Amino acid sequence: NAGVTQTPKFQVLKTGQSMTLQCAQDMNHNSMYWYRQDPGMGLRLIYYSASEGTTDKGEVPNGYNVSRLNKREFSLRLESAAPSQTSVYFCASSERQGLYGYTFGSGTRLTVV
Amino acid sequence: DAKTTQPNSMESNEEEPVHLPCNHSTISGTDYIHWYRQLPSQGPEYVIHGLTSNVNNRMASLAIAEDRKSSTLILHRATLRDAAVYYCILFYNQGGKLIFGQGTELSVKP
Repeated sequence: NAGVTQTPKFQVLKTGQSMTLQCAQDMNHNSMYWYRQDPGMGLRLIYYSASEGTTDKGEVPNGYNVSRLNKREFSLRLESAAPSQTSVYFCASSERQGLYGYTFGSGTRLTVV
Repeated sequence: DAKTTQPNSMESNEEEPVHLPCNHSTISGTDYIHWYRQLPSQGPEYVIHGLTSNVNNRMASLAIAEDRKSSTLILHRATLRDAAVYYCILFYNQGGKLIFGQGTELSVKP
């Protein structure tokens, strides 16, 4: 099915390790987003890319970097993971700057021990 | 970004209508009203959006007050699969980003 694909679905890291979360969409959307969701909380925007070649900080960017590799792919990197980054990470994409809705992936559940 | 206020939780009976309220007294003229829902262990899902007029789609209806300071998401016949957290979000059309609040957790009783 068309949509947003996130890999991996689950990951356990040790404090200080690095990893990259991958996201790809096949809907030809211009804009892509990374969110995190802590238990019992709403989603918080980490970074977004309004179009290919641009990235901007969201509400909680500290400790993360992003790369908009091409129109389809938007990756999120944790350079030195911390327990506070234990969360579920969602990638999303949209066209028309999101007016007609965002499409979300199914999430990556990350635990940092 | 303008703020919205929603009840923390609501209960409904299966096959009955559900009215989910949202207050947004500081809404500006360029803000669209978006609704998303998040089923357990899934990513959020777009439900509906509107600007001034009431809107209907296959999932729900959106009723917007004349002064736009509040809106109501209407599920016409709740099913058990509608149990989710529903988010009301004000979205600025030109370069806006979805900023999620706490949402309303809807439970549906058989």
